Amino acid sequence: EVQLLESGGGLVQPGGSLRLSCADSGFTFSSHAMSWVRQAPGKGLEWVSGIGGSGDSTYYADSVKGRFTISRDNSKNTLYLQMNSLRAEDTAVYFCAASTTWPYFQHWGQGTLVTVSS
Amino acid sequence: EIVLTQSPGTLSLSPGERATLSCRASQSVSSSYLAWYQHKPGQAPRLLIYGASTRATGIPDRFSGSGSGTDFTLTISRLEPEDFAVYYCQHYGTSPTWTFGQGTKVEIK
Repeated sequence: EVQLLESGGGLVQPGGSLRLSCADSGFTFSSHAMSWVRQAPGKGLEWVSGIGGSGDSTYYADSVKGRFTISRDNSKNTLYLQMNSLRAEDTAVYFCAASTTWPYFQHWGQGTLVTVSS
Repeated sequence: EIVLTQSPGTLSLSPGERATLSCRASQSVSSSYLAWYQHKPGQAPRLLIYGASTRATGIPDRFSGSGSGTDFTLTISRLEPEDFAVYYCQHYGTSPTWTFGQGTKVEIK
C-alpha cells in the first residue's frame, strides 16, 4: 500500500525559508508524478507545485512561482519543497500527493503544518 | 484561468438522505480532467471520482459523478455517518495547473 509521510514543517519568520520532505513507501516512486497541495486555516485546498516522475518537468502555481522549488530524489524515494521568502499567507498544512493515474491525486500524505509568523 | 464554483457551501442532511453537490466551471472543460475529493479534518484527502464519472479504487457505489461542459455533479445516494465531510471538485488544465473548487461541507442535520 502506498504511504506518504511529510516532514519539515514548523514555525518560521516572514522572509525565512523552510524545506519540506515527503517520503514514500509502497509503490514505484520514480514512475509517478508528485505534487504539493496546501490548505490554509479555514480555507480550501490549493495546488502549489508538481513534478514529473523523472524530475525534469516542474510546475508552479502563480502564488509561489519564483519563491518555491520542487524537486525529487528517486534514489531516496523522497519529494522536496524548498520554500523561500515565506509570507504570512503561506501558512497552511502542506500535503504531498502522488498521481499514480495521471493527472489525479490518488495517494496523499497526512500533511505537515507550516506557520509563517513573527 | 478556469474557476470552479461549488454549491451549496454547506449541505445539512441526515444519514440515509441523498446529497447532490454541484461544481460549475467558468468555461467549458474536458470531463476527462474533472475529479472529486473527500476531505475530513485532520486526515488526508481522498480521491472519489475521476474523469467526471469513474469511481476511484475502493469507493462505494453510493458515490456517483456526472456532468459535462461547465456543470458537474457529485451524488451520494444514501448518506452514511462516515460521509460527512468537505467535498472538492478539481480540474486539471493546461500549463499544467490544477484548480480546486472552494468546497462543499456536508454536515449532519
